[in-house]
Amino acid sequence: QQQVKQSPQSLIVQKGGISIINCAYENTAFDYFPWYQQFPGKGPALLIAIRPDVSEKKEGRFTISFNKSAKQFSLHIMDSQPGDSATYFCAASGWGSSYKLIFGSGTRLLVRP
Amino acid sequence: NAGVTQTPKFQVLKTGQSMTLQCAQDMNHNSMYWYRQDPGMGLRLIYYSASEGTTDKGEVPNGYNVSRLNKREFSLRLESAAPSQTSVYFCASSERRGEGGTRGEQFFGPGTRLTVL
Repeated sequence: QQQVKQSPQSLIVQKGGISIINCAYENTAFDYFPWYQQFPGKGPALLIAIRPDVSEKKEGRFTISFNKSAKQFSLHIMDSQPGDSATYFCAASGWGSSYKLIFGSGTRLLVRP
Repeated sequence: NAGVTQTPKFQVLKTGQSMTLQCAQDMNHNSMYWYRQDPGMGLRLIYYSASEGTTDKGEVPNGYNVSRLNKREFSLRLESAAPSQTSVYFCASSERRGEGGTRGEQFFGPGTRLTVL
């Protein structure tokens, strides 16, 4: 019940395309869903986050879509750029995890020029 | 502001050796965390400290100990290193928010790459 399952493990997208990364969770007590971005040799950094009272949140080219009934959420990167090449982690937290973040396994994104 | 700093950046140990990973933050955050990152397994929480003076086990605490030295510093100790502890270790900090005290954006350090032979 603590797991957050992330797919795909790796993703290659052409410049200008749409990158989509999916996550699923089981614990209905989760109520905070952030995405972290990590560049090689660096620590992860918060990219965007959503709470389940909304179905979508957009910040620039990055959008989180949230489906509470399906217990799924996804990250969409519009107009993907080579600078977006990084590893992306979804995460979840809430009462069910004592408010600790539970991370997905990560998706390595490569955006080709 | 330096944010979250970690030392050392790289370390090679022999099986059975001990070492301490240091972490400090200058953002006046209450909560601090230690994670390990392994290929295909994401970030797994080793220990955390919701506030100065408290520490709690995370998902993978075996083989590790921690010390919250003060509000700024949170160290991770490997008493007898094993090859299974070869990993990249990240320290993070966050403001204490909400019920439970460990929510909010986490700020990560640059990591320590540890190899145990």
